[in-house]
Amino acid sequence: NAGVMQNPRHLVRRRGQEARLRCSPMKGHSHVYWYRQLPEEGLKFMVYLQKENIIDESGMPKERFSAEFPKEGPSILRIQQVVRGDSAAYFCASSPTGSPLHFGNGTRLTVT
Amino acid sequence: DQQVKQNSPSLSVQEGRISILNCDYTNSMFDYFLWYKKYPAEGPTFLISISSIKDKNEDGRFTVFLNKSAKHLSLHIVPSQPGDSAVYFCALYNFNKFYFGSGTKLNVKP
Repeated sequence: NAGVMQNPRHLVRRRGQEARLRCSPMKGHSHVYWYRQLPEEGLKFMVYLQKENIIDESGMPKERFSAEFPKEGPSILRIQQVVRGDSAAYFCASSPTGSPLHFGNGTRLTVT
Repeated sequence: DQQVKQNSPSLSVQEGRISILNCDYTNSMFDYFLWYKKYPAEGPTFLISISSIKDKNEDGRFTVFLNKSAKHLSLHIVPSQPGDSAVYFCALYNFNKFYFGSGTKLNVKP
């Protein structure tokens, strides 16, 4: 049973470009969470999704950021028109209902 | 809105001694509490958890204590080993959301 798979591991984008981060949850997990870790900081909640539904996006910036978890395929975190402040490690986690989260190894986004 | 606080950004302990990591929270409405461990360039991995109806849970060298009246959670590692050197996050769970602290970097010296 493969763990949570995130790709790419490293992503470099120039200011103004779009970044797409993908996450395949563990088999059988229907809950997906995205967290962001800025340098020297903790994990900040961004969004919680179930299949085809956004349950809680209270941690997502209002502009440029969006997330989806389609019926088929991975969850996608999309950042449009990236800025230097978006540089961070983005972690995806999945779980069955109410169980501890299983994290992927993250995508490290660098905006130049 | 910072519901979970880890006030010590770092901790250094000698191998074989006890490591105590602390976490404070503000909201009483959490169902259970967790500790995660994170190595550089990897995702956090689940370590141990405790239900809100308990005050202690033990798993090998790791023990988590919950003091609900003080809204305080702690993780004890004994004996500490160099391989325990990592960043430790406490997390609180309620209504399908997990709230994480800012982490404590533990360094276990050989």
